[in-house]
Amino acid sequence: SQTIHQWPATLVQPVGSPLSLECTVEGTSNPNLYWYRQAAGRGLQLLFYSIGIDQISSEVPQNLSASRPQDRQFILSSKKLLLSDSGFYLCAWRETGTVYEQYFGPGTRLTVT
Amino acid sequence: AQSVTQLGSHVSVSEGALVLLRCNYSSSVPPYLFWYVQYPNQGLQLLLKYTTGATLVKGINGFEAEFKKSETSFHLTKPSAHMSDAAEYFCAVSLFSGGYQKVTFGTGTKLQVIP
Repeated sequence: SQTIHQWPATLVQPVGSPLSLECTVEGTSNPNLYWYRQAAGRGLQLLFYSIGIDQISSEVPQNLSASRPQDRQFILSSKKLLLSDSGFYLCAWRETGTVYEQYFGPGTRLTVT
Repeated sequence: AQSVTQLGSHVSVSEGALVLLRCNYSSSVPPYLFWYVQYPNQGLQLLLKYTTGATLVKGINGFEAEFKKSETSFHLTKPSAHMSDAAEYFCAVSLFSGGYQKVTFGTGTKLQVIP
């Protein structure tokens, strides 16, 4: 069966510090991968998606970036965090070639102070 | 373009009462529709999905939803609410375009179950 992991679960970082959130998927090959942000009281905002290694697309301009160094690894990064980067970050995967459901990881709660 | 509207950001029901969470969508092509549930500080879990075929779909935890094309709706229901149903619920519409799947989520409805 497939599983998706995210770490860390929670993170408190000062403004201006760097960020690295990691997501890994097990039990599947060549998944489509997604990063979402969920701010307090708001819905899900798609940040990045990837259809393959080193194939990243950005949905919104911001100071965040994403990388996919391996087939089942997806990393969200920032060089300098802003207060507005606080939120709940969710990674998701989907089987390639379908329009079916996405499966979500447990999320990372990021607080920028 | 596609969009999802969830009517009511907060819904309160009594334990044992009917749960009805509303979702209307807009899509230029036949949609694929989903309902997800999110418990506090957790990821989203798929409740049910509509792709093709039967318009009444059953999901986990006793939930079901009916796809009504004429009303562009996909409302989520459960005959009898349990305390454990208290969570946030998201409706989503999916479209496959330009080589990738674009999923648009609604803004969510928080369900409160009153004992």
